[in-house]
Amino acid sequence: GAVVSQHPSWVICKSGTSVKIECRSLDFQATTMFWYRQFPKQSLMLMATSNEGSKATYEQGVEKDKFLINHASLTLSTLTVTSAHPEDSSFYICSASTRNTGELFFGEGSRLTVL
Amino acid sequence: AQKVTQAQTEISVVEKEDVTLDCVYETRDTTYYLFWYKQPPSGELVFLIRRNSFDEQNEISGRYSWNFQKSTSSFNFTITASQVVDSAVYFCALSEADFNKFYFGSGTKLNVKP
Repeated sequence: GAVVSQHPSWVICKSGTSVKIECRSLDFQATTMFWYRQFPKQSLMLMATSNEGSKATYEQGVEKDKFLINHASLTLSTLTVTSAHPEDSSFYICSASTRNTGELFFGEGSRLTVL
Repeated sequence: AQKVTQAQTEISVVEKEDVTLDCVYETRDTTYYLFWYKQPPSGELVFLIRRNSFDEQNEISGRYSWNFQKSTSSFNFTITASQVVDSAVYFCALSEADFNKFYFGSGTKLNVKP
């Protein structure tokens, strides 16, 4: 099946630094990519939806300036957590879909720990 | 508004028991898709099934089976003869027809004990 790869799988950073997480579709062109946040023992919370070449659509309550999303190509989307703080510590998961099939493929997730 | 409800937070069974995970959804769309995903302790999400709103046929795949009933807006998932490896969190999800948004339930944690 299709593969979506996320990098890094785990990152630890100091408070105040910015962290970039990459999401790549390895063997297909992803017209749409989604970014989710998952707190321990909780469900996935959709943060934003991005279509290649256009600005991301953020869900209510998600700070656009805090979580910068760039979907520069059909195979790459990035999420940058700017000026990270301990409350940003979470598991971030990306997923990608192709409009013609609608299947949703998930990355392995990236664990962010902010000290 | 779209909504997916998984009322069972956590279920524990003994190996070889059958277990059903419930999923109830709300949508005003006539065309939509329903999904089940498995999230093992390692964290990655594993796709299990997709069903569109016009296909109410039940599906069986090995020990897994799904019961889709539009009349009750439910899409339940049954594991027959459960195994320890089935232990995971299972998410039910709903997407709009254009797949632009996916709405997830809160997940059901399944513990299968030997």
